[in-house]
Amino acid sequence: EAGVTQFPSHSVIEKGQTVTLRCDPISGHDNLYWYRRVMGKEIKFLLHFVKESKQDESGMPNNRFLAERTGGTYSTLKVQPAELEDSGVYFCASTLDLHPTEAFFGQGTRLTVV
Amino acid sequence: AQSVTQPDIHITVSEGASLELRCNYSYGATPYLFWYVQSPGQGLQLLLKYFSGDTLVQGIKGFEAEFKRSQSSFNLRKPSVHWSDAAEYFCAVVYQAGTALIFGKGTTLSVSS
Repeated sequence: EAGVTQFPSHSVIEKGQTVTLRCDPISGHDNLYWYRRVMGKEIKFLLHFVKESKQDESGMPNNRFLAERTGGTYSTLKVQPAELEDSGVYFCASTLDLHPTEAFFGQGTRLTVV
Repeated sequence: AQSVTQPDIHITVSEGASLELRCNYSYGATPYLFWYVQSPGQGLQLLLKYFSGDTLVQGIKGFEAEFKRSQSSFNLRKPSVHWSDAAEYFCAVVYQAGTALIFGKGTTLSVSS
């Protein structure tokens, strides 16, 4: 069984550009979470999908971030326009049921905004 | 605010020596507790979890953790460290079912020969 897959693994973009991160959860996992780790800080929650619906987006930093999960399968996280402080590692996780349960994480996308 | 504290940013342990990584959580209620590990180039992998019951829980790769309510702690231990254990370790909690994980800042473990 395939795990959680994230693409790309690395992205370097200039300030003001747009970047789209993708996450493919484990098949059948209705719950999909996005997290971000800024250098030197904790991994922080961004938002939570249940199927295609946003269950909780309280962690989204501002309206430059847009997450979608069309059809309740894969999810994308778009940053437009990117700022320097958006640099960090973006993780995706999926769970079969709501927490508490094991969350399966992808390897992360390292985003660098220059 | 709900938070998780991992007081040690970086620890170096000799191969074969024992290991203890500390984790404390805030807030009054007992959360659901987790330890994750991230090896270079990999995603986070669950080592073990505590929901209720026996306060000493066993995980993968020979790790164990003990929940101590009186100290609001959930420390991770391993009796004999292997070089392959070098990685970053994250303590995390869920306070309410259905909500997201709250992570500590992580502890990087280096293993010396």
